[in-house]
Amino acid sequence: SQQGEEDPQALSIQEGENATMNCSYKTSINNLQWYRQNSGRGLVHLILIRSNEREKHSGRLRVTLDTSKKSSSLLITASRAADTASYFCATARLSSNTGKLIFGQGTTLQVKP
Amino acid sequence: NAGVTQTPKFQVLKTGQSMTLQCAQDMNHEYMSWYRQDPGMGLRLIHYSVGAGITDQGEVPNGYNVSRSTTEDFPLRLLSAAPSQTSVYFCASRTRGGTGRTEAFFGQGTRLTVV
Repeated sequence: SQQGEEDPQALSIQEGENATMNCSYKTSINNLQWYRQNSGRGLVHLILIRSNEREKHSGRLRVTLDTSKKSSSLLITASRAADTASYFCATARLSSNTGKLIFGQGTTLQVKP
Repeated sequence: NAGVTQTPKFQVLKTGQSMTLQCAQDMNHEYMSWYRQDPGMGLRLIHYSVGAGITDQGEVPNGYNVSRSTTEDFPLRLLSAAPSQTSVYFCASRTRGGTGRTEAFFGQGTRLTVV
């Protein structure tokens, strides 16, 4: 079964608004990563947050991690039409020494101009 | 650097046919993985490798074989294609950082249809 579950499955907002996506996972993790996928393309890494971190920023991206609730959120501020894409969280299990990355089902974000 | 290169980009197979999806990376990454992406299912791990000569099964390995004879190449073989294997396949690689501490680089995908 998949490790990560994203919520919501789909999100539609206006340009300039903020977008928040959530990810829940099941087992203890070493870190959690977020990826973006434009339509018909491969995934691109956005940001990684380690299990001992609570918040991380990268440009307009803000990621939080709550290991007690086994959840993470990705906030995109001041969204742009170019942010339209699917967003996935990926986790690496703490018990795994192979570094397998397990992905969630993704959130599809549409930003209307 | 080309990154991760997958071939072919598109393929149509008849049920029962076999084929190999190619994946090559030029970043000297130790870890390579194959995922399939189906609508509403996200990415599911098929097989992965932590180095040349070492492979292991992921979440959905049935019907697929892999080998890793070199660091650069990680082909995925469909032994006898079935309609349930219609999907988009992604190859990914990343450097060894231990327990997933490094980012994965993805190929552009292979869209496979089995009729």
